[in-house]
Amino acid sequence: KQEVTQIPAALSVPEGENLVLNCSFTDSAIYNLQWFRQDPGKGLTSLLLIQSSQREQTSGRLNASLDKSSGRSTLYIAASQPGDSATYLCAVCGAGSYQLTFGKGTKLSVIP
Amino acid sequence: DVKVTQSSRYLVKRTGEKVFLECVQDMDHENMFWYRQDPGLGLRLIYFSYDVKMKEKGDIPEGYSVSREKKERFSLILESASTNQTSMYLCAIPAGTGYPLSNQPQHFGDGTRLSIL
Repeated sequence: KQEVTQIPAALSVPEGENLVLNCSFTDSAIYNLQWFRQDPGKGLTSLLLIQSSQREQTSGRLNASLDKSSGRSTLYIAASQPGDSATYLCAVCGAGSYQLTFGKGTKLSVIP
Repeated sequence: DVKVTQSSRYLVKRTGEKVFLECVQDMDHENMFWYRQDPGLGLRLIYFSYDVKMKEKGDIPEGYSVSREKKERFSLILESASTNQTSMYLCAIPAGTGYPLSNQPQHFGDGTRLSIL
C-alpha cells in the first residue's frame, strides 16, 4: 500500500528566504505526483503536477522536482512571502488508478 | 474556471440522523471523488465514481454510501451519523483537458465541515 510522508510537519521562515519542502513515497509505480496548497478552513488548490516521465515542473516562484526511482519529490519556493503561509500537501496518483494518496502536509509560516 | 460546489460549508447534525452531502461540478467529468480530512490523519478517500451510477470504494467506505444519478452531482450519504464522522469533507474532480484523465490535477471544492453531536 502506498504511503506518502512529508517532512517537516511545520516550518517557520523569515520573509525572503528560499525554502524546500520534502515528500517521499514508498511505491514508485505512479502516474504523477501533485502538490497542493490549503489555507485554513478551505479546500485544496492545485499548484503543480509532475507526470511520472517528467523530472520537474515550474510555476512562478515554485519549482517541483520528482525522482521516481528513489521515491522523492521536493517543492522549492523562492523568495518566500507572508502570503505563502499555508499547509502544503503532496499526493501521488497510483499507476492504473485515479486515486490520490496524500501526505499529512507541511504547515509553512513566513514571518514578515 | 472549474467549479466544484459543495452544498454547505458548515453542517451540524445529531447522532443517528441520515446525512446527505452534495457536490456539483460544471465540467462534465466522469470522475468525482469524496475525501475526508482529519487532523493527524490527512486526507483519505471515501468513495469515487467513474460514471453515472458507477462507484468504487476508497480507503475508508465504512459507514458511508454514495449516489450518482446525474453526471454533475455526486452525493455522500451517512446512513446513521456517528460522532466519529465529525470531519471536514472534500469533493474533487480531475480538472484539466486532454488525456489521460489520471494526469489531470484534481480540483477541490471548499469543503463541508460536519459536526455530529
